[in-house]
Amino acid sequence: SQKIEQNSEALNIQEGKTATLTCNYTNYSPAYLQWYRQDPGRGPVFLLLIRENEKEKRKERLKVTFDTTLKQSLFHITASQPADSATYLCALGAGSYQLTFGKGTKLSVIP
Amino acid sequence: SQTIHQWPATLVQPVGSPLSLECTVEGTSNPNLYWYRQAAGRGLQLLFYSVGIGQISSEVPQNLSASRPQDRQFILSSKKLLLSDSGFYLCAWTYAGLAGAYEQYFGPGTRLTVT
Repeated sequence: SQKIEQNSEALNIQEGKTATLTCNYTNYSPAYLQWYRQDPGRGPVFLLLIRENEKEKRKERLKVTFDTTLKQSLFHITASQPADSATYLCALGAGSYQLTFGKGTKLSVIP
Repeated sequence: SQTIHQWPATLVQPVGSPLSLECTVEGTSNPNLYWYRQAAGRGLQLLFYSVGIGQISSEVPQNLSASRPQDRQFILSSKKLLLSDSGFYLCAWTYAGLAGAYEQYFGPGTRLTVT
């Protein structure tokens, strides 16, 4: 069956450093991968989408890589700030408008 | 601009009672609609999705049901709640038929506690 793993349930990082979150998957051939941010008690908010034929995508301080050979995506937040503290979810899709979500990584940026 | 509403925001219901959660979307037409549940320590679980009025696909067999009586209205129901139905229920929508636009937009969620 399809499996998505976000390797760390929680990640603590010092303010100003680069946070790197990992998303691995098995038994899946996604056409695209997405990253969402979720704050406590709120719905997830879309951040970035990267397609299977793209290696890297950037948006402001965010960078996502997608390696279909390794079956892995890395999500980077550069110059992290306490306001970046949240749970980050990765989600895979195969073109049918349905997404399969990972459990998320809770990021805490320490001042 | 598009907005998505869910109500109620929180709900405490006894075991065996019925449930009705409502989701509405404004500012778009013919969206794909989704119901997810997020339980403590677990990821987002897709419960139902709909590509049009009256068209419902179920992902997980359970005592929940969904209906889409209008284009931008999606309802989650149960006749008898179980303790295991507790969780954070999220409604989401995405554009239908627009190539490349697959991101989902989530509502504020309903926190359901079954006692």
